[in-house]
Amino acid sequence: GESVGLHLPTLSVQEGDNSIINCAYSNSASDYFIWYKQESGKGPQFIIDIRSNMDKRQGQRVTVLLNKTVKHLSLQIAATQPGDSAVYFCAENGSVRNTPLVFGKGTRLSVIA
Amino acid sequence: KAGVTQTPRYLIKTRGQQVTLSCSPISGHRSVSWYQQTPGQGLQFLFEYFSETQRNKGNFPGRFSGRQFSNSRSEMNVSTLELGDSALYLCASSATSGGSGELFFGEGSRLTVL
Repeated sequence: GESVGLHLPTLSVQEGDNSIINCAYSNSASDYFIWYKQESGKGPQFIIDIRSNMDKRQGQRVTVLLNKTVKHLSLQIAATQPGDSAVYFCAENGSVRNTPLVFGKGTRLSVIA
Repeated sequence: KAGVTQTPRYLIKTRGQQVTLSCSPISGHRSVSWYQQTPGQGLQFLFEYFSETQRNKGNFPGRFSGRQFSNSRSEMNVSTLELGDSALYLCASSATSGGSGELFFGEGSRLTVL
């Protein structure tokens, strides 16, 4: 079946450094991927998305990389700030049309000031 | 543009009771999805409604049900509550159905079952 997982459950990064959060997915037919950020006590917030016809997409301080060969997704945060401390989830849409997003279990990012 | 609104934000129930949670989507969004979030299982999909019709359903027992009204507002109900139902219940709205577009989440309803 479909599954979305993460390589590391927690990540501690020094303020100002770059952060890389990884995600593995099992469904090679998935064609849409999203990264969400969830701060304590809040609902998940959209960060960036990417479709399978792209390898890389950049936003403000964030970059998502998609490697379809090894079914790997990563989120890079440049110049990590204390406000980036949160749990980050990747999600994929699976292969069947109109199926819901499947979320990974999340990685907690802690920024050390 | 107002975001997704969920009520109540917090509630405490006892085993055997039932609970109803409400979600108002972003104006113009016709899709509403519900997710259960627990520390051990992450975000688990419950169901999705689009234009008052259930489009998708997750792997939850029949005690979990939902509906959507003509104004796109949605409710979910959990009957005969169990301790394991304690969780954050998240509602998300989208302009499109299924996993083809961005989901906009509310702040969630935190349910504690004693």
